Amino acid sequence: DAGVTQSPTHLIKTRGQQVTLRCSPKSGHDTVSWYQQALGQGPQFIFQYYEEEERQRGNFPDRFSGHQFPNYSSELNVNALLLGDSALYLCASSRDRANTGELFFGEGSRLTVL
Amino acid sequence: GNSVTQMEGPVTLSEEAFLTINCTYTATGYPSLFWYVQYPGEGLQLLLKATKADDKGSNKGFEATYRKETTSFHLEKGSVQVSDSAVYFCALSGLPSNTGKLIFGQGTTLQVKP
Repeated sequence: DAGVTQSPTHLIKTRGQQVTLRCSPKSGHDTVSWYQQALGQGPQFIFQYYEEEERQRGNFPDRFSGHQFPNYSSELNVNALLLGDSALYLCASSRDRANTGELFFGEGSRLTVL
Repeated sequence: GNSVTQMEGPVTLSEEAFLTINCTYTATGYPSLFWYVQYPGEGLQLLLKATKADDKGSNKGFEATYRKETTSFHLEKGSVQVSDSAVYFCALSGLPSNTGKLIFGQGTTLQVKP
């Protein structure tokens, strides 16, 4: 049973560019959340998708957007990249009806903005 | 707003030593509390959780008790092993429901030496 998978694992972009990160949730999970983890910090909640809609959003600008597909996979898009967007981006999945608060995380996509 | 504060690391212990990692939180209402662990090169994974006051979460020899009166959820282990070396994150669920929004502390790095 595959867990949460993310791609790409590493990428390098320059300021002003746009990036798309992808996530496939754990089998049986229908909810996907995205987190940003800066070096030496804890993950910070970006947003969550359920039933192909954004259900909750953290304190991130509109440059951060996402999408969820009918198969529950998800994308995170970041426009007009800034140096401060350099971080590990984590995808986490859960089963909405379980309502346990337990998340299953992928290994992350490490974004470097030059 | 809701927040989590962890003791700063790194924490360096010898094998078989006793471990305590302090975690305190600020929240309105009654969140669920979690400890997640991030082993080198792996994604975050749930270590243990507690959903109400005085609950004790336990797993792999680790324990933490939900203390409402001191707003704490300290992680303990009686005898650490080299394989416990990792980064540990305390987290609380975003209220009002456990829908996958977690608020994390900054993480505490544990290094266990043989």
